[in-house]
Amino acid sequence: NAGVTQTPKFQVLKTGQSMTLQCAQDMNHNSMYWYRQDPGMGLRLIYYSASEGTTDKGEVPNGYNVSRLNKREFSLRLESAAPSQTSVYFCASSALGTGAYEQYFGPGTRLTVT
Amino acid sequence: DAKTTQPNSMESNEEEPVHLPCNHSTISGTDYIHWYRQLPSQGPEYVIHGLTSNVNNRMASLAIAEDRKSSTLILHRATLRDAAVYYCIRQGTSYDKVIFGPGTSLSVIP
Repeated sequence: NAGVTQTPKFQVLKTGQSMTLQCAQDMNHNSMYWYRQDPGMGLRLIYYSASEGTTDKGEVPNGYNVSRLNKREFSLRLESAAPSQTSVYFCASSALGTGAYEQYFGPGTRLTVT
Repeated sequence: DAKTTQPNSMESNEEEPVHLPCNHSTISGTDYIHWYRQLPSQGPEYVIHGLTSNVNNRMASLAIAEDRKSSTLILHRATLRDAAVYYCIRQGTSYDKVIFGPGTSLSVIP
């Protein structure tokens, strides 16, 4: 099993450009998450999807949109990138979204916005 | 407030036990305590979690205080590969309440 995969691994954007970060999991998990991590900081939740067909805002959703394409895939879109969105983005999944279940994380996408 | 409190950094000698503390004084009865670790340039990795009782797995042990206001992650014999940032988080039924603080940066001295 590949676990959680993310593409691309690295990306440089100019201010105002758009892009979509892709995430897929092969563990048949119901819940998926997008986090961002700024240098020296912990992770902050951007959006989550409790189950296929549902998405909800996390702590820092402004400037982002998400799509739960199917049970396996959860994408994050930046419509108009800003330098403040320079960060490392992690996707995660869990069997269910309650505390009884651990999250599995992808390797991350390192995004720089100039 | 769903935050937890951890020391910023700790050091350990190789092959010695390490006790990483976490304070979660406002924890609710349905919140689980999870520990993750993050090696440099990698995504976080699940370590262990528990609700009330102490837990053991192949990576570590989790000791939870009787009042559940604090917990301790125990690495029985630290290796150089255990050098990482360790995060203690509370995770309950509210998906948006998971908060990863700055964690504890563990250094392992050969």
